[in-house]
Amino acid sequence: ETGVTQTPRHLVMGMTNKKSLKCEQHLGHNAMYWYKQSAKKPLELMFVYNFKEQTENNSVPSRFSPECPNSSHLFLHLHTLQPEDSALYLCASSQGSEFEQYFGPGTRLTVT
Amino acid sequence: EDKVVQSPLSLVVHEGDTVTLNCSYEVTNFRSLLWYKQEKKAPTFLFMLTSSGIEKKSGRLSSILDKKELFSILNITATQTGDSAVYLCAVESGAGSYQLTFGKGTKLSVIP
Repeated sequence: ETGVTQTPRHLVMGMTNKKSLKCEQHLGHNAMYWYKQSAKKPLELMFVYNFKEQTENNSVPSRFSPECPNSSHLFLHLHTLQPEDSALYLCASSQGSEFEQYFGPGTRLTVT
Repeated sequence: EDKVVQSPLSLVVHEGDTVTLNCSYEVTNFRSLLWYKQEKKAPTFLFMLTSSGIEKKSGRLSSILDKKELFSILNITATQTGDSAVYLCAVESGAGSYQLTFGKGTKLSVIP
């Protein structure tokens, strides 16, 4: 059992829906991350938050909107997604940007 | 553009064998190299390497970094079926901003 939890674990949504993914870390870390893992592709870093401030946005489309209300919680708001956005979305946290990251179990997202 | 290349992409061995997984990289402003094991969903952290030539060990797993030749290897001795997983290599880089680039992974299958 990791110190990083994600909900929901599975999500099926239509292209016109709005949904949110939630990540919570119980490790006292200051940095949190969203990743996307698609089949047969390397893991892609989407967003980085350090002390609640977004420090990285790796050219992610605006239909993905992150929110970090505090150092323990991270959300990914989804709207008008495309079928190619179907993937495993992983959240991670670390003590700081120079420390190893610990990953949550992921949310398997299917866009129909 | 930062690049991380892992080889082989897949590997099948018998229990008890020793395996070596490779990771080479080309990045700007290298910070560290990380190895993860991914089973089913979330990657679990194995090693973080920042200095050349210093071997890190954890049980049957060990890893070393060569910053001159820009590669790292992950060794697993006396493999067990529980070692079957995808092993991911990631490189942290960036002077001011933070970048984390993952390789595609090596899928290791250990058969009895």
